[in-house]
Amino acid sequence: NAGVTQTPKFQVLKTGQSMTLQCAQDMNHEYMSWYRQDPGMGLRLIHYSVGAGITDQGEVPNGYNVSRSTTEDFPLRLLSAAPSQTSVYFCASSYDRLHNGYTFGSGTRLTVV
Amino acid sequence: AQTVTQSQPEMSVQEAETVTLSCTYDTSESDYYLFWYKQPPSRQMILVIRQEAYKQQNATENRFSVNFQKAAKSFSLKISDSQLGDAAMYFCAYPLTQGGSEKLVFGKGTKLTVNP
Repeated sequence: NAGVTQTPKFQVLKTGQSMTLQCAQDMNHEYMSWYRQDPGMGLRLIHYSVGAGITDQGEVPNGYNVSRSTTEDFPLRLLSAAPSQTSVYFCASSYDRLHNGYTFGSGTRLTVV
Repeated sequence: AQTVTQSQPEMSVQEAETVTLSCTYDTSESDYYLFWYKQPPSRQMILVIRQEAYKQQNATENRFSVNFQKAAKSFSLKISDSQLGDAAMYFCAYPLTQGGSEKLVFGKGTKLTVNP
């Protein structure tokens, strides 16, 4: 029972490069989301999905794309990395959306130089 | 605006003692849930405890309990018999549905140090 699996755990990118952060869950959760965590800012929502084929923006979506082709996977794409995207990224999923809390992945520490 | 405020950026406690972390929130809803998450140095976000606003009884999970005061919009976390493994960042969170968007609103966190 893996829960929410995020890869990679660490990544260094050069400005302008693109990459995809992977997220997979094996709990059959419909709701999945991506957050970024910055010092003193708490966690902020980037994008979320309420089911396969459905995605929507959170509060800080610029510079990121998502897709949800299956229930299990919810990748986050950085189109052209910028130093402002240096952060820790968390993927989270939930069975009944907001009532039982989220299960989080272990996070990805991304540095853009 | 729906917000979550944790007024204590850092707290410390002696091992085996009790500590209370404070959290206040702002909402216009009458039925909602509140959460405390723990983030140890491993970075993993771990759900510690949840409280349903319509329940009068404060939630309890082993050494962790909450003091929920709905009228005051206060949701503090009490850790009893503190252990070294309790050292972590603690985040209070409130699930918000607004304008078709759904998210957890997090406080900025409280860093808890446990002294041996």
